[in-house]
Order: sequence, then C-alpha cells, then structure tokens
Amino acid sequence: GAVVSQHPSRVICKSGTSVKIECRSLDFQATTMFWYRQFPKQSLMLMATSNEGSKATYEQGVEKDKFLINHASLTLSTLTVTSAHPEDSSFYICSARGTSNTGELFFGEGSRLTVL
Amino acid sequence: AQSVTQLGSHVSVSEGALVLLRCNYSSSVPPYLFWYVQYPNQGLQLLLKYTTGATLVKGINGFEAEFKKSETSFHLTKPSAHMSDAAEYFCAVSDWRNYGQNFVFGPGTRLSVLP
Repeated sequence: GAVVSQHPSRVICKSGTSVKIECRSLDFQATTMFWYRQFPKQSLMLMATSNEGSKATYEQGVEKDKFLINHASLTLSTLTVTSAHPEDSSFYICSARGTSNTGELFFGEGSRLTVL
Repeated sequence: AQSVTQLGSHVSVSEGALVLLRCNYSSSVPPYLFWYVQYPNQGLQLLLKYTTGATLVKGINGFEAEFKKSETSFHLTKPSAHMSDAAEYFCAVSDWRNYGQNFVFGPGTRLSVLP
C-alpha cells in the first residue's frame, strides 16, 4: 500500500525560530499533498493543499506567510512554521492521494510541535 | 457541499461488547465514504472505505460498515470490542468527481473499551 512518512515526529523549539516538517510519499508519486492541523481532542483542520511545482492553496484563515509550504518534487512536501509562537504548538499531519482514483488519502504519522 | 456528522463524541463499551459508531453524511453527489482510526500521537490509518458496489464493507481489525443511501449513513460496527480498539475514529466523505480533492472529516468519536 501507499506509505506516507513525516519527519520529525516531535520537535521542540524556542519562540521566534522556524521549524520545518517534511512529508514524503515513500512508494508512490504524489502530485498533491494536504497539510492539516489538529488541536487536542478535535478533528483535523485542513490548512492547505500542496501541489507539486506550483504554489500551495491555503484555506481561509491560514496565514501563508506563517506556514510556508513547498512541494518541490513528486515525493516531498515541506511545511515550515516561521517565527513560531506558543500558539503554533499543535499536531500537524500530512496526507497524500494515492495513484488510484478512489479518493483515498494516506496519512503521515504526524508531527507534534511544541513552541516554548 | 459535503458534511459529516458523528453522533457521540465519546463512546464507551465493555470488552467483548458490540461496537457501534455512527456516521451520517451530506453530499450532493454520490459519495466515497471512509473510516479512519487514530491512536494517540499518530496519524490516521484507513479502516475501510466505500466507493461503489457492495454496500457492506469489511475492513481491518474486524470492523465493517454499511452504506445506506436512504439513511445517508455509514455506521461502523465490530461484533466484539477489544482493548486495543480504544482510539479516536473519524468518518470522512469524499467527492468522487474530483478524485478526493474535497475530503471532509467528521468531528471524531473517541472509543473507550472497559475491561
């Protein structure tokens, strides 16, 4: 099956620094990847759609200058949280569509960001 | 537009008892429907999916779900709960026309399994 891997799984950083999270499709090419944010005991909130070779599409209310998304290859998308603040602490999850047309999404393991 | 509701944010069952997690959807086009499970501090794992064909779908770990168009439901069941089933469960609906471009999650149901 399709495998999506995220790295790092946990990261702690100081306020004001930037953090990069990687999302890789290991055994398939993903022209589209999705980034979500999940608050404790809540559902996933779609942040943006990452398209290979073009600019990401951000959901309403998501700051594109705060959350930089780069999808430079068919197997890698990155989310950079710039000038992180404690309110950016959250669980971030990426997903990708497989090569089938059934609309199924494959998810990474998630990355827990803690900003001190 | 599509939407998903999950009745009951928290469901508790005894080990060995029937598990029933409810999901109702709204979709203007024939939907693709999914159930995902999330364990603490992990991503989502697909349990099962309905696209076309047989309306009773079997998934991993003994779970199954039935697509009922007339009731716009896709409830998840398991005959006998196991302690390892304790997790968060998300129902989701996808727009088949866009090959999953529009993927909407329900709010989730936390399943607790009591010994």
